[in-house]
Amino acid sequence: QSVLTQPPSVSGAPGQRVTISCTGSSSNIGANYDVHWYQQLPGMAPKLLIYGNRNRPSGVPDRFSGSKSGTSASLAITGLQAEDEAEYYCQSYDRSLSGSVFGGGTKLTVL
Amino acid sequence: EVQVVQSGAEVKQPGESLRISCKGFGYRFTTYWISWVRQKPGKGLEWMGTIDPSDSYTKYSPSFQGHVTISADKSINTAYLQWSSLKASDTAVYYCARRGAGGINYLDPWGHGTLVTVSS
Repeated sequence: QSVLTQPPSVSGAPGQRVTISCTGSSSNIGANYDVHWYQQLPGMAPKLLIYGNRNRPSGVPDRFSGSKSGTSASLAITGLQAEDEAEYYCQSYDRSLSGSVFGGGTKLTVL
Repeated sequence: EVQVVQSGAEVKQPGESLRISCKGFGYRFTTYWISWVRQKPGKGLEWMGTIDPSDSYTKYSPSFQGHVTISADKSINTAYLQWSSLKASDTAVYYCARRGAGGINYLDPWGHGTLVTVSS
């Protein structure tokens, strides 16, 4: 059971918009710790997608955006493309555990 | 180019010891902490712990404390993850990643991963 909760799967047709939620608690996201998002393509290492709740590293398309409110965060992907099919993970810091925590991951399927 | 490069895949028997490595390139190694992340087959990411290469201060996840040892040799820009007695349940891909500067805990870049297979 992951400290951060994500839906196991989401799907959308090419061109559509999807969102992936990441729900935490007052010990992590709700304690004002930043949320970061990673994309893991099949058979590959994870790649940083969003850091500091809403910032995109250089090279990440602006189709990807992040937000945070209260004890939750969200990743939005607009203009879905086949290449977006991957596993997505959120990450934050948990003060009770005194370390980083990940969500369980969400598999995005592009229909 | 900033990158972290991991050692190759390992096949070990239960009870054996193992040390895998992660070498930093293209940046000042002592400025950024290195974290280790486990991914069991078909499962999600698990944060194991982190090390400050400047003084080898380490912090472990409670789930991994006492089961693994994280260390670093700043003279050769390399961090390590080691086991003294492997179990079949340690079979997984292990990633190292550079943590953001200034205490920001995002991980970037990631190594390619080291597959550790423990089987008799």
